[in-house]
Amino acid sequence: DGGITQSPKYLFRKEGQNVTLSCEQNLNHDAMYWYRQDPGQGLRLIYYSQIVNDFQKGDIAEGYSVSREKKESFPLTVTSAQKNPTAFYLCASTIPTAAPEKLFFGSGTQLSVL
Amino acid sequence: DQQVKQNSPSLSVQEGRISILNCDYTNSMFDYFLWYKKYPAEGPTFLISISSIKDKNEDGRFTVFLNKSAKHLSLHIVPSQPGDSAVYFCAASGTSYDKVIFGPGTSLSVIP
Repeated sequence: DGGITQSPKYLFRKEGQNVTLSCEQNLNHDAMYWYRQDPGQGLRLIYYSQIVNDFQKGDIAEGYSVSREKKESFPLTVTSAQKNPTAFYLCASTIPTAAPEKLFFGSGTQLSVL
Repeated sequence: DQQVKQNSPSLSVQEGRISILNCDYTNSMFDYFLWYKKYPAEGPTFLISISSIKDKNEDGRFTVFLNKSAKHLSLHIVPSQPGDSAVYFCAASGTSYDKVIFGPGTSLSVIP
């Protein structure tokens, strides 16, 4: 079955540590996104990528980094510079020329700080 | 400044009654509006969408209404069922490729 897989489901970060969240899709979608969900704030865009080897900052990119070396994969690194990393992280993908731009989401990763 | 607003954080409705979830937007360049449904600890799933050239789109129990002059859309669920209890996100995007902007969500509880 096609879909988006995020791992791990739960992740704990120590002070000063970088952690990487995995996102893999087999939908053959060109565009991939990372969102962060905080209670009462909806989904905020961290980074997005329309094509391999290219990505753009979203609204809250500070303290995060991404790479897009393969079409199927879009890992997100939460660096030590992100001072408030506790949140639910969602990865999504879509066909960028589709209208409307219907996003397909993974099941999310809950990141907590120890 | 939020471009997509959902002013009701929560809503409770009796089973069998109508649920009405509201959404307002500020950017007149949006061309598509979408509703997503999200259960706890899961990713959102697409529910229904509407193009800016339409004022209504219906899919089974779900209907979305768009009032462009008021920059307002609403999602109607009739009849509401307990399985509809979830957080509903309103989202908007433009015709050319652009990022999708989400509202803060409304938590719907359907009471049996």
